[in-house]
Amino acid sequence: DTAVSQTPKYLVTQMGNDKSIKCEQNLGHDTMYWYKQDSKKFLKIMFSYNNKELIINETVPNRFSPKSPDKAHLNLHINSLELGDSAVYFCASSRWDTLYEQYFGPGTRLTVT
Amino acid sequence: DQQVKQNSPSLSVQEGRISILNCDYTNSMFDYFLWYKKYPAEGPTFLISISSIKDKNEDGRFTVFLNKSAKHLSLHIVPSQPGDSAVYFCAASAEAGANSKLTFGKGITLSVRP
Repeated sequence: DTAVSQTPKYLVTQMGNDKSIKCEQNLGHDTMYWYKQDSKKFLKIMFSYNNKELIINETVPNRFSPKSPDKAHLNLHINSLELGDSAVYFCASSRWDTLYEQYFGPGTRLTVT
Repeated sequence: DQQVKQNSPSLSVQEGRISILNCDYTNSMFDYFLWYKKYPAEGPTFLISISSIKDKNEDGRFTVFLNKSAKHLSLHIVPSQPGDSAVYFCAASAEAGANSKLTFGKGITLSVRP
């Protein structure tokens, strides 16, 4: 009965490929996020969505495209993968009125070879 | 440009003692601060927060102290338990509303020895 789930948990792929990571939350939250944790361990926000609308779009290459089919889902599609995309990607969600208290998924470890 | 700094990468304490985890920030616009805890192979979980209008917030064994003039906050865990062994992230936010986002430090690994 996971609150925020991500699939897959591990993803190994070659440079140039296109891949997607899926995220679902069953908490009834209306805001969802994607974070990237790089090799230096910093967690950095990439995108946030509120009620399926893009709110925050940090300086992220256009190869990264989030898609929110409904409030409970926020998927991340990555085109033309590069070595530097290797990282752990976390999905998170929150209520609009408690944006700071975010619930994170378990993460997807992406390795680009 | 690290706006949230956790300069000590690790801390080891004896069970039952106090753990003090420190965090410094550079952005004077930050007005809300949080601590998240992360176990291996799991996502971070929210632990405790503090608004800039306060200097202390307590929740059970966890207390966060904020010193705005020094741009410094700390998390105290008393007494420390082996289950507290995890990575602790300090986070801060400068905006309310739609553009609110969290800026995280790189985390401190806490080990509590039985």
